[in-house]
Amino acid sequence: EEQLVQSGAEVKKPGESLKISCKGSGYIFTDYWIGWVRQMPGKGLEWMGLIYLGDSDTRYSPSFQGQVTFSADKSIGTAYLQWSSLKASDSAMYYCARPQGEGDAFEIWGQGTMVTVSS
Amino acid sequence: EIVLTQSPGTLSLSPGERATLSCRASQTVSSSYLAWYQQKPGQAPRLLIYGASTRATGIPDRFSGSGSGTDFTLTISRLEPEDFAVYYCQQYDNSRYTFGRGTKLEIK
Repeated sequence: EEQLVQSGAEVKKPGESLKISCKGSGYIFTDYWIGWVRQMPGKGLEWMGLIYLGDSDTRYSPSFQGQVTFSADKSIGTAYLQWSSLKASDSAMYYCARPQGEGDAFEIWGQGTMVTVSS
Repeated sequence: EIVLTQSPGTLSLSPGERATLSCRASQTVSSSYLAWYQQKPGQAPRLLIYGASTRATGIPDRFSGSGSGTDFTLTISRLEPEDFAVYYCQQYDNSRYTFGRGTKLEIK
């Protein structure tokens, strides 16, 4: 079964760094992109960007460029989303999702990682 | 950036009724890159429709998508209790995805 499994919920303080993960299984990791989607409490879905597991090529939404960093370890089929200095406004649910190809719909979703940033 | 406007914001219907959800784009969208998702409380979104009109694996045939250019529609022919959720459209253009703000389908 093809699936994405995300790391667990995080509680952090403003200014701290954080790296969350999304691990694929049941398919050839290096053939696919992984997308990241933010959902703030009670709000809609926001596309953050994409990373290609094969060569770590990235696409960032202009809204998130410079605010987060995508990385990947293709040897273990895992994509990462990283913050160097968290803000309270980063508190949200973060989903990873896999399209069939760049531009395609997100056919597989992770279960989400809840990030809470509070002093 | 292409903006997707979904309407209505909230739709109140009863089980058995027909639901029609709209997604309008600020510029022409390739039908190949228009998708619809369903999200229930506490769950990740689920892909319903891709390529504007193709049902994803396992999606019941009461769900259908149509449209082209700037106007797209998701239709649920006969609402089942499990269909009450939030629905999002999504498009891809010029290396960017965008989502609509969603339509909440609630029980009347």
